[in-house]
Amino acid sequence: GQQVMQIPQYQHVQEGEDFTTYCNSSTTLSNIQWYKQRPGGHPVFLIQLVKSGEVKKQKRLTFQFGEAKKNSSLHITATQTTDVGTYFCAGYLNTGTASKLTFGTGTRLQVTL
Amino acid sequence: GAVVSQHPSWVICKSGTSVKIECRSLDFQATTMFWYRQFPKQSLMLMATSNEGSKATYEQGVEKDKFLINHASLTLSTLTVTSAHPEDSSFYICSARDPGVNSPLHFGNGTRLTVT
Repeated sequence: GQQVMQIPQYQHVQEGEDFTTYCNSSTTLSNIQWYKQRPGGHPVFLIQLVKSGEVKKQKRLTFQFGEAKKNSSLHITATQTTDVGTYFCAGYLNTGTASKLTFGTGTRLQVTL
Repeated sequence: GAVVSQHPSWVICKSGTSVKIECRSLDFQATTMFWYRQFPKQSLMLMATSNEGSKATYEQGVEKDKFLINHASLTLSTLTVTSAHPEDSSFYICSARDPGVNSPLHFGNGTRLTVT
């Protein structure tokens, strides 16, 4: 089953409101990556976090990696309509001899005026 | 940054026919490419890892005889959906990784396959 879960599945906010998506893995991750997929588009890489407890910012986006390296969050301050899309976290799970990038279930964000 | 090109962007085919999807790395060499499948409003599910010059590695539950993968050069991987059926209709996306362990993926634009 899905090993990387995200909540919420969907959120609808008004422009200017804040938004947060949470990512939880059943196993420890070597790093966590975040991607954004616009409606009808393909995933685009946003950022990668590697260190336990790491926090990174990109303008209005703040990314955190948990101390245990099993969870992460993405917070958007003062959302804009351009933030619409699905946000996926993704992590490398060490399974046997291969490391595979596993995507989270995703959080779909809708922003209206 | 790295650019991955995927073709076609959409295709409609009849049940029983085969469809080939191409994935090219335009400005870098990719010894490994990844093929994902995405159903509407769902996450990306890894189907297989395409390895240049050797056999692809398929994920559990993915039929290798149905989804043929060929990675004949360092810049091209192809996925052929053989004897397509309506349940194969989906969004197929290829990706390649930056050099380095556990590095980010760069995705192609995806191919929307509709089997009638």
